[in-house]
Amino acid sequence: GAGVSQSPRYKVTKRGQDVALRCDPISGHVSLYWYRQALGQGPEFLTYFNYEAQQDKSGLPNDRFSAERPEGSISTLTIQRTEQRDSAMYRCASSSGIGGAEKSYEQYFGPGTRLTVT
Amino acid sequence: EDQVTQSPEALRLQEGESSSLNCSYTVSGLRGLFWYRQDPGKGPEFLFTLYSAGEEKEKERLKATLTKKESFLHITAPKPEDSATYLCAVDKDTGRRALTFGSGTRLQVQP
Repeated sequence: GAGVSQSPRYKVTKRGQDVALRCDPISGHVSLYWYRQALGQGPEFLTYFNYEAQQDKSGLPNDRFSAERPEGSISTLTIQRTEQRDSAMYRCASSSGIGGAEKSYEQYFGPGTRLTVT
Repeated sequence: EDQVTQSPEALRLQEGESSSLNCSYTVSGLRGLFWYRQDPGKGPEFLFTLYSAGEEKEKERLKATLTKKESFLHITAPKPEDSATYLCAVDKDTGRRALTFGSGTRLQVQP
C-alpha cells in the first residue's frame, strides 16, 4: 500500500505568515508523529497522536506551533507567525497501533516538507 | 539526560570491505532501539528494531546487535548502493512514544 505522504513538499513563506503542513499516514495506522530535522542531524520529536487524541506535545518549541488530527487520519501541523529559525525539514511518521505487538511500534516516515522562511 | 551517540560521523569503505557502525545510548528503561537508513532528500527508511540485550536481526548485508549500552550495525561486503546515512533511535519505556535519534553515520561505499 501507499506510504506516508506529506504536502507540500516545499514551502517558502515570508516571516510572520502562518503555514500549514499536511500529513497523510499509512492507511489504518493509529499513531502519527511529527518530527523536525535539521541538516546533518537526526529527526527531533515534536508531537504525536493516537487516533485523534494528541498524546504528547512536549517537543513543540513554543505556542506558535500546534497540531491536530480531527478525524484520526490526516494531520496538520500549523506554525503561526513564522520566524526564520523555523526553517527546517518537517517529517511525519506513522505506526500501526498501540497494542503490545512489536511491529506496532515501528515508525514509518514520509518524505518531509522543506520549510523556508524568508 | 538521555543521549544517543553514533560513531563514526562518516565512514568511507571500499566495496567488499566489511565494517561496523556504533550507536551508544544512555537511556533509563529502554523499550526499543531502532535503526533507519536515510538517502539524500528522502525520509528515514525503517530497518530494524531491537528490544533486548543479546538480540540480533539481519537483512541482506546488514546485521544489528544490541547490548545494554550500545548497538552495532554490521555491514558485510558492502556495495555502493549501501551508501547512505544510518540513524539509530531509542524509545524509552515510559509510555512516551517519541524516538530520540542520534546524528547518524554517513556511509560511502566506493566501487
